[in-house]
Order: sequence, then structure tokens, then C-alpha cells
Amino acid sequence: AQKVTQAQTEISVVEKEDVTLDCVYETRDTTYYLFWYKQPPSGELVFLIRRNSFDEQNEISGRYSWNFQKSTSSFNFTITASQVVDSAVYFCALSEPYTGNQFYFGTGTSLTVIP
Amino acid sequence: EAQVTQNPRYLITVTGKKLTVTCSQNMNHEYMSWYRQDPGLGLRQIYYSMNVEVTDKGDVPEGYKVSRKEKRNFPLILESPSPNQTSLYFCASIPGLAGFKGDNEQFFGPGTRLTVL
Repeated sequence: AQKVTQAQTEISVVEKEDVTLDCVYETRDTTYYLFWYKQPPSGELVFLIRRNSFDEQNEISGRYSWNFQKSTSSFNFTITASQVVDSAVYFCALSEPYTGNQFYFGTGTSLTVIP
Repeated sequence: EAQVTQNPRYLITVTGKKLTVTCSQNMNHEYMSWYRQDPGLGLRQIYYSMNVEVTDKGDVPEGYKVSRKEKRNFPLILESPSPNQTSLYFCASIPGLAGFKGDNEQFFGPGTRLTVL
């Protein structure tokens, strides 16, 4: 079973629109970490955010915001007023540090922002 | 500059010809890991190492070997590459055992694009 599900394979939005990228995870651990990474067309992986399982506060960083809901096992990522530079593949990931120290990535969502 | 380096960045080889992709980090990180990225499959962990001489299998270890003789280096070895190992490979490191020091942001290398003919 997939531990991290990103059901949206590709999304296209027009510049300045808001867009939400969904991430649903599965774990039995009480302590875990969730991440979002950005992979622009140049190919490198850029860390965006880390959230631990005990911190359900939503976070905002500029145009980016994250909504962590343990009740629905979701960690969604919203970009407000999207820009062309936001075009990238976005990955959600899960780590379970007390159960094997493995990392699990979703299959990614490819976001295209149309000017 | 703190970084994870991988070599080579691009490699085209033929089936069965042993190859090694090197990974080195200069941040004194304990945890290192290898991933492969394939279209539609995201990143999948191949092997990881929590410290020198300690390695563990990830989700897709078949056909790969690793070693961790020094803290800074974590080479990925393909003893007999096959076309299904054509992929984009990323090495990553983390400063400290995940969870125990509370900081497990991964630092990724630039990637190695491998083609096996």
C-alpha cells in the first residue's frame, strides 16, 4: 500500500490563481514527519517544509501555506497567487523515525502555471 | 560550501557492465540515502545508512549494493546493470538520526541520470 498518496498527477492553473496540492499519508506511528519538496525543471530537489506529528498548526510562508490535519491524514499545500516560477513537480514525503528510518515519497504532482 | 556531490552526473552504459555512482557529503551527516526517481513513481528509497558500517534496505534494493566505510561517502554499486535500472538517482544526507535530534531535513545531491542500454 502506498504510504503517501498524491492523487493529482498534473495540475494547470493560470497565473495568479490559487492552487492546492493534496497529500494523504498512512502511518501507524504516533511520531512521524511530513515534508514537501519542489523539483523545478532544472531537476534539483528543494526542501520546502517539515512538520512533525505533534504540531498541527498550519504554517504560512509568503505565498505558501500548509494545512496539516491528522484526523484525515492529510498535509495539503496551497500556493496563493501562483506565478510561472511555481511550475514544478511537488513531492510530499513521510518519515517514521522510530520504525526503520525510511523515507516514503508520493508520486508527485506536476504543476504548470500558465502566464 | 555545504553540499552533497554525486559523480558522474550523466552516464550511459551497457547491460552487465559494473558501475559505481559516488556520493559524498561535507557536512558530517550521519544518515545517508539513495533514491531512484522514475516517471509516475516518484522517489523510491534504495538503501540508507544511519552511520558508518550500518546499511539497510529501502523499498527497491534489488540489483544494487552500497557501502559506508567512511562517514562522508556512500557509493551506489550496480554489479550487473540492466535496462530497468535506467533512472534518475539521488543521494541525500541528514544531520543526525531521524527523530532523535529532531532535525531530519534531507540535503539532496544534484542527481545522476543513468541510462543502461
